[in-house]
Amino acid sequence: DQQVKQNSPSLSVQEGRISILNCDYTNSMFDYFLWYKKYPAEGPTFLISISSIKDKNEDGRFTVFLNKSAKHLSLHIVPSQPGDSAVYFCAASPRGGSEKLVFGKGTKLTVNP
Amino acid sequence: DAGVTQSPTHLIKTRGQQVTLRCSPISGHKSVSWYQQVLGQGPQFIFQYYEKEERGRGNFPDRFSARQFPNYSSELNVNALLLGDSALYLCASSSNYGAGNTIYFGEGSWLTVV
Repeated sequence: DQQVKQNSPSLSVQEGRISILNCDYTNSMFDYFLWYKKYPAEGPTFLISISSIKDKNEDGRFTVFLNKSAKHLSLHIVPSQPGDSAVYFCAASPRGGSEKLVFGKGTKLTVNP
Repeated sequence: DAGVTQSPTHLIKTRGQQVTLRCSPISGHKSVSWYQQVLGQGPQFIFQYYEKEERGRGNFPDRFSARQFPNYSSELNVNALLLGDSALYLCASSSNYGAGNTIYFGEGSWLTVV
């Protein structure tokens, strides 16, 4: 039973355009969400997070949107750059202080020059 | 500043053997957690330790164990290795225990069981 789903295994965009990566979750106990970027042979790198009390969080080119009623979040990257090409993981943390992150399977983003 | 460091980076073991993986958290971080990532999947939570106490355990068999030392470093042990244990093992640290903390990952230890 996959509690965090990233339904698009891959996404290809042109440099300078917007990249939108999507994530759905099923567990209402999740109240903190994170996005990580992973290059081959490296560990995941933290990008941005959002608490369930917010619906948007911005950090430079990265914006995360949270729609609690739909149990959906998305990561927007504007403008996309070739260096953004990586696998992006959505992760969710349950209430109660646990740091047990539940990850999706990831979306491979390719930004073409 | 050094990030989360893990050792060894790569290792090959035979079925039935035991392995110990090591992790040093970011300086000042007291919480360490371990994740297993198999090919094509996202990382899966194994353990979390905070102030040397186990605070969470994922759905892994008892062959998996871990501990945290007074300097907050940690070890993950896996006994009686199976072929299916072949994976990238990730260690992560955060400054405190609790939701809302940013969790930082190391580069991982690649384990191959033959």
